Order: sequence, then structure tokens, then C-alpha cells
Amino acid sequence: DAGVIQSPRHEVTEMGQEVTLRCKPISGHNSLFWYRQTMMRGLELLIYFNNNVPIDDSGMPEDRFSAKMPNASFSTLKIQPSEPRDSAVYFCASSFSRSPHEAFFGQGTRLTVV
Amino acid sequence: LAKTTQPISMDSYEGQEVNITCSHNNIATNDYITWYQQFPSQGPRFIIQGYKTKVTNEVASLFIPADRKSSTLSLPRVSLSDTAVYYCLVGQTGANNLFFGTGTRLTVIP
Repeated sequence: DAGVIQSPRHEVTEMGQEVTLRCKPISGHNSLFWYRQTMMRGLELLIYFNNNVPIDDSGMPEDRFSAKMPNASFSTLKIQPSEPRDSAVYFCASSFSRSPHEAFFGQGTRLTVV
Repeated sequence: LAKTTQPISMDSYEGQEVNITCSHNNIATNDYITWYQQFPSQGPRFIIQGYKTKVTNEVASLFIPADRKSSTLSLPRVSLSDTAVYYCLVGQTGANNLFFGTGTRLTVIP
């Protein structure tokens, strides 16, 4: 397996634009996590899914953020409209529900909002 | 969720054994202890997990005392490539509460 695949690796966008980050989890994994990492706030859990269902989205900062998992092999994190303070590295991770703490992370998407 | 406390940073010379301790005084009976490693510009990587006593794998050892209120990650004979941030997490394996703290930034010096 190629591991968790995220795209794009880098994204630069203007304030107010819509941004969509994509994630393909490891095949067979049924838990998926979205994180945001900044120097100031560290690694923040935004939302996680179990069997494609959002379980806890309490970490989603605002209504501008939304996440979907239409099937077991794909998830998106959307920011609309984007703001400069959304600039961060966004990580997607997946795990098997029997070992949820053994998660595998993607390489991340570095988002810059100017 | 049991809160974890780790040193913010540590320095070590190459070839030495490094021990990073994590305090989790409020750990619950069903909680496991998990450690991750994060290199710059990469996502965190699972290192080791344990419940009690000692766990060892090809990367590290994890020591957990009987009261489980702390745990120690031991890295044998570190090299420059072990420079990274190490995170301690505590939570139930049946729950997807994968929350990361501030971690310990380990710098290995030649």
C-alpha cells in the first residue's frame, strides 16, 4: 500500500477563495482523521470519521470548515472562504478501528492563504 | 481524556541512550499509552504503544511503572536522524480520541 495520500502537497490561495484538500486513506482502514498543525497551536484534531461517518467535529474551528467522506477511500476538507489565519499544514491520517491509536499519517498539505 | 505532560525539549549526543518521560496522573483503567515521532515536514509516525510494564520493538522501548501515572520512552544509541518531536498520547484504544500534546523536541548533537 502507498500509505495515506494527500493532495495537493502545497496550496497557495488568495483570501476569500475556496480551498479543497483531499485524502485517500490506507485501504482497509475504517477510521480517518483530519489535523491542522501550526507553530502556535501544535497539532489540532479537527474531525474524525469512523466507517465514513463523522464522529466528532468539535475541533472544526468555524463553519467555514467542512469535511466529507463519501466513501471508504476518499475524504475532503473544504475551507470556504479561506482566511490568512487558516495557513497551516493539514494532515490526514487513517487507522484500523481496533487499533485507532496506531494511525498512519499522510505527508500533509501546506496551505498558504495570502 | 488523561492530560499528558512532557519536557518541551531535550538534547543528547550521538550514541547515547535517551529517555523521555511523560506524566499522565489521571490515566484511566482502560487507557493505553502511545508514542509518536514527527520529523520536520512530515506527519507523525507511530512508534510504540503499551499498557503496563515494558514493551520493546525495533525502534524503542516503553517503560510503564505499576501505577501507570507516567511512562518513559527509551531510544537506544540515538543518531542524528533521531532528531524529531516525540509525542505521548493517552487514551482508550476503543475510542478515536487521538489528541496530541505539545511533544518533546529532541535534538541529537554530533
